Amino acid sequence: GQSLEQPSEVTAVEGAIVQINCTYQTSGFYGLSWYQQHDGGAPTFLSYNGLDGLEETGRFSSFLSRSDSYGYLLLQELQMKDSASYFCAVRRSSGNTPLVFGKGTRLSVIA
Amino acid sequence: DGGITQSPKYLFRKEGQNVTLSCEQNLNHDAMYWYRQDPGQGLRLIYYSQIVNDFQKGDIAEGYSVSREKKESFPLTVTSAQKNPTAFYLCASTGTSGNYEQYFGPGTRLTVT
Repeated sequence: GQSLEQPSEVTAVEGAIVQINCTYQTSGFYGLSWYQQHDGGAPTFLSYNGLDGLEETGRFSSFLSRSDSYGYLLLQELQMKDSASYFCAVRRSSGNTPLVFGKGTRLSVIA
Repeated sequence: DGGITQSPKYLFRKEGQNVTLSCEQNLNHDAMYWYRQDPGQGLRLIYYSQIVNDFQKGDIAEGYSVSREKKESFPLTVTSAQKNPTAFYLCASTGTSGNYEQYFGPGTRLTVT
């Protein structure tokens, strides 16, 4: 089967740094993506890792270790607007194939 | 502006009725997907289509049907056979092969009573 494990909830203080981990077990692996979803809204793409290492996009970074079947999303200088759910998703093959999503981590940023 | 539209935003139906959710994209994307999201859950794949006139079942296809007669459109029908149809339904698309980013529509919240 396919499974992605991520914490269900995380709380962090405004201005701090938070890391959301994701471990995966899937039949086939081609890359790991992260999506953000605000309550009632649609998921929006944040980052993608196809190779091991760190990808940085502004305040957000994402890391992948294929040998450990593990990745994380790092959010720096947290802002209240970062309060949302964050999903990791595995791309199992090249081309236009569906993603397999984790259940999501609800991040609450507090003052 | 290019994007994906889903209508309506909220939909209410009586149990036993079929209902069709609309999904239209003007991104010229080849592949389209339907996901279901329940509270506190991730996205589960219902159906997907990689090209016009072709589609495949996802993980939870029972009680749903789709069509892909045009590249721009991928409607989803929730039939009376779907035992728990109340959920948030999201449509998505991806572009040319190798493009890993999925673009999502705003979703339709379906409530069946």
